[in-house]
Amino acid sequence: DAGVIQSPRHEVTEMGQEVTLRCKPISGHDYLFWYRQTMMRGLELLIYFNNNVPIDDSGMPEDRFSAKMPNASFSTLKIQPSEPRDSAVYFCATSSGRAGAGELFFGEGSRLTVL
Amino acid sequence: AQTVTQSQPEMSVQEAETVTLSCTYDTSESDYYLFWYKQPPSRQMILVIRQEAYKQQNATENRFSVNFQKAAKSFSLKISDSQLGDAAMYFCAYRGSNTGNQFYFGTGTSLTVIP
Repeated sequence: DAGVIQSPRHEVTEMGQEVTLRCKPISGHDYLFWYRQTMMRGLELLIYFNNNVPIDDSGMPEDRFSAKMPNASFSTLKIQPSEPRDSAVYFCATSSGRAGAGELFFGEGSRLTVL
Repeated sequence: AQTVTQSQPEMSVQEAETVTLSCTYDTSESDYYLFWYKQPPSRQMILVIRQEAYKQQNATENRFSVNFQKAAKSFSLKISDSQLGDAAMYFCAYRGSNTGNQFYFGTGTSLTVIP
């Protein structure tokens, strides 16, 4: 399996622009998580899905952030409009909910810089 | 919500020596999983070791082992014969069976390996 695939790896944009981050989960994994990592706040859970349905979005900072999972093979995290404080590394991670399955598999992350 | 605490923001170890990273967690569940993830400067999150709570035997993966104390809710990571490539941020994580399969992460310990 190719693992969790995220794109883009790096994104530099200007304040006010729309940013879309993409994630392809590992086939068969029914849980998908979006995390944000910064030096100041560490690793923060933004939202997670189970079987394409959002379960907990309480970590989404504000209405500028939205996430979708239209099917089992694809998820997006959108920021509109972007602000400099959104600069961070965004990770997508997936896991299986099967009993005994356990761990979380991470993508390589998308480093976002908002100027 | 569950909490995971890593009380050592930074640690250092001499090459070839042994170091122990601490982790405690708070839960009322009896069935759960615990993990240690490594994040080198490349930023990729890599699973180091996992422990199922129902297993009394401590998990071991080559030079990495854990000291799992269920009653004390403690889960420390021991790295033996430390190598330069072990330098990274280490995160402790918890996944419960009754918490929607959500993962809870500690704030991380930055490990420096001194040649």
